[in-house]
Amino acid sequence: ILNVEQSPQSLHVQEGDSTNFTCSFPSSNFYALHWYRWETAKSPEALFVMTLNGDEKKKGRISATLNTKEGYSYLYIKGSQPEDSATYLCAITNDYKLSFGAGTTVTVRA
Amino acid sequence: EAQVTQNPRYLITVTGKKLTVTCSQNMNHEYMSWYRQDPGLGLRQIYYSMNVEVTDKGDVPEGYKVSRKEKRNFPLILESPSPNQTSLYFCASSLSRGGNYYGYTFGSGTRLTVV
Repeated sequence: ILNVEQSPQSLHVQEGDSTNFTCSFPSSNFYALHWYRWETAKSPEALFVMTLNGDEKKKGRISATLNTKEGYSYLYIKGSQPEDSATYLCAITNDYKLSFGAGTTVTVRA
Repeated sequence: EAQVTQNPRYLITVTGKKLTVTCSQNMNHEYMSWYRQDPGLGLRQIYYSMNVEVTDKGDVPEGYKVSRKEKRNFPLILESPSPNQTSLYFCASSLSRGGNYYGYTFGSGTRLTVV
């Protein structure tokens, strides 16, 4: 099992504020890191797949960075909106297995 | 529409009564996988398949079986369900093995309760 840790477990953010949270993983034998967004009563949806050290990806107000040497990734939400409320899952793969962290649940307060 | 279809969405069953959760994808993906989600834990992989007739155990395979006779279908079989298999189950597929570069497409989930 690949150990993937996400912190914090949950956070509350005021509408319009920006926030970020972390995914940590073992840096050895790294292939790729995935971020998924999971809304209540729906299925997880892929946000980003990142493979290279220093990678930065952006989708609207959400962006992510990757540091494979030290084993962490940050997800940023700029100008949070109520529709950003969800659980954000991080996962890493060692080629054929994808191992998930427990997620960070974001609640945006209007 | 490209999708992964799981059935049923909800299922309540009794201990020991064999059941099958179906999973079908229409994207011609080679890689398919089953996960279970329990409170406080991440998605944990049960089984995966890299192609037709090629399956392997994930991290929590005990009590489950799978088969991959056709590329599009990957059913999850519980031969003798027990209450500790009460969970939310997701099927997922990917164009690339392990979902390395393309990410996973998830089904809508099956909430199973074993009493």
